[in-house]
Amino acid sequence: GENVEQHPSTLSVQEGDSAVIKCTYSDSASNYFPWYKQELGKGPQLIIDIRSNVGEKKDQRIAVTLNKTAKHFSLHITETQPEDSAVYFCAAHLTGGGNKLTFGTGTQLKVEL
Amino acid sequence: DGGITQSPKYLFRKEGQNVTLSCEQNLNHDAMYWYRQDPGQGLRLIYYSQIVNDFQKGDIAEGYSVSREKKESFPLTVTSAQKNPTAFYLCASSWDYSDGYTFGSGTRLTVV
Repeated sequence: GENVEQHPSTLSVQEGDSAVIKCTYSDSASNYFPWYKQELGKGPQLIIDIRSNVGEKKDQRIAVTLNKTAKHFSLHITETQPEDSAVYFCAAHLTGGGNKLTFGTGTQLKVEL
Repeated sequence: DGGITQSPKYLFRKEGQNVTLSCEQNLNHDAMYWYRQDPGQGLRLIYYSQIVNDFQKGDIAEGYSVSREKKESFPLTVTSAQKNPTAFYLCASSWDYSDGYTFGSGTRLTVV
């Protein structure tokens, strides 16, 4: 089955700095990689996703990059703001095994003033 | 507005009791999922259902049961066989042919 590793587990940045969270996956057949943001006491919300036929995708201050050869993908947040503070999860999806996502263990991002 | 609703938000259970967590969606999604989240850990799949009247075990199904009698509903029962049920439970749904999940706001279950 798929295995997703996520680093770092905690990340503290100053407001306005950039934050990068990295994930690796094990199954080269995985083809869809979403990122979720979870605020305290709430369910995760999809913030950006990328498919295996694309190397990079950007949405305002958020971008995701995918390196299929190395089997890793990263979330980049620029110009961080206090409201970016949350837990971020990466995930990988493998077709052919039902529409199931395998999640990373999460990164607690804290944006300090 | 379309969405996915979990109830109750907080639930307390005595040891030895079964409890049922509700999950309802009006997104017309085919697939529904239950995940368990423990502090500092990722999301672990309990059960999932691709279509009505069909469901499969996830990675940690022991001590849990589900039903999928209606497309919009996927209740989860935490049985007395679940040795450590205190956790945050998340329900999600998605299109069968697409990949994005929509999550509910979760139910926090505490065994007292």
